[in-house]
Amino acid sequence: SAVISQKPSRDICQRGTSLTIQCQVDSQVTMMFWYRQQPGQSLTLIATANQGSEATYESGFVIDKFPISRPNLTFSTLTVSNMSPEDSSIYLCSVVYNQGYTFGSGTRLTVV
Amino acid sequence: GNSVTQMEGPVTLSEEAFLTINCTYTATGYPSLFWYVQYPGEGLQLLLKATKADDKGSNKGFEATYRKETTSFHLEKGSVQVSDSAVYFCALIVYNQGGKLIFGQGTELSVKP
Repeated sequence: SAVISQKPSRDICQRGTSLTIQCQVDSQVTMMFWYRQQPGQSLTLIATANQGSEATYESGFVIDKFPISRPNLTFSTLTVSNMSPEDSSIYLCSVVYNQGYTFGSGTRLTVV
Repeated sequence: GNSVTQMEGPVTLSEEAFLTINCTYTATGYPSLFWYVQYPGEGLQLLLKATKADDKGSNKGFEATYRKETTSFHLEKGSVQVSDSAVYFCALIVYNQGGKLIFGQGTELSVKP
């Protein structure tokens, strides 16, 4: 399976600021996704990061709040913009590689 | 649309007890089914998977059988250990529908010595 390096692993941020999360994969992958896991809840797909084109967002998520970059087949970033305490969650990137789904270790974000 | 429903937790068992966590799904197309585990303070790990009807996935003593007739993928283990305490997520993916992994709500398992 592919190995994902995600950083930062955790951060505490002031409301109104933005945080960019990075996801680096050790193999070229076509499909890369960003998920959110709110405290005590399941994982919700934010968007599919498409290489060379704009990300595809799920219902309830918008580009202005969660801009995503995908400059190549091994790297993506997710920015959480203009943060509020409600954005406190774990954010995870994941990839499909050889029909297997691999997750990064996640970024635990606390907004104060 | 595609969805996954799991039994609600938390589930509390004594060590060596038998575990069943129910999972049912709704899908258009032919899904692959997964169980993921999240240990306290850690990331998500694939526990087992099954890609077609009647397949049985197994790992670390856990098993789940893909039952198309009942649209189920229940997780079982014959004898749980304290170290199995975690949150378990059932999930599905339909690869020809965008490849998105759809998760159930998760079931927290607590095993007492």
